[in-house]
Amino acid sequence: DGGITQSPKYLFRKEGQNVTLSCEQNLNHDAMYWYRQDPGQGLRLIYYSQIVNDFQKGDIAEGYSVSREKKESFPLTVTSAQKNPTAFYLCASSTGTTQETQYFGPGTRLLVL
Amino acid sequence: GESVGLHLPTLSVQEGDNSIINCAYSNSASDYFIWYKQESGKGPQFIIDIRSNMDKRQGQRVTVLLNKTVKHLSLQIAATQPGDSAVYFCAEMVGAQKLVFGQGTRLTINP
Repeated sequence: DGGITQSPKYLFRKEGQNVTLSCEQNLNHDAMYWYRQDPGQGLRLIYYSQIVNDFQKGDIAEGYSVSREKKESFPLTVTSAQKNPTAFYLCASSTGTTQETQYFGPGTRLLVL
Repeated sequence: GESVGLHLPTLSVQEGDNSIINCAYSNSASDYFIWYKQESGKGPQFIIDIRSNMDKRQGQRVTVLLNKTVKHLSLQIAATQPGDSAVYFCAEMVGAQKLVFGQGTRLTINP
């Protein structure tokens, strides 16, 4: 069963705590992406990676960090520097070639306690 | 600036009617466009895409129209069904791989 998986589905963060969201894909895609979605709004790009061991900041990278040690995995850490972390986080992947569709995972909803 | 809150544009249609969802994009250099469907609590699902060298593309029950002159996209859904209820986003590709999403339109189907 091919696709993109994200875990957990719901995540609770305490004040001052770092939390890590998991994203795994078995589509053999080179590129992976993290987006944030706030209620009633579109998606905004946090970070993206076009190849293993390389990643670039998106439009709202402050307070987040990522790593890309394996092709199939692109975890996102929401650090304590992110003052408004409550949102729906979506991971996507694509082949990495120009003008190719990005496919999304089911999302992780992060809530602050 | 950003809008705050849940004031998504909405479209209500009768079951069986055709739906047309519109989207204005911002960058005249964008050359690839995608429509996504997002059901509540789920990730966006790919519906159809179109490249800038085309002005129309058809899929199963869906058609996308692209008007580059006025930077406008539309998604037409034929014979709308209850399962079509969702929020629909258009996205434009800026540069090689960066997608920029619109605000979305909530489609509601009336029985």
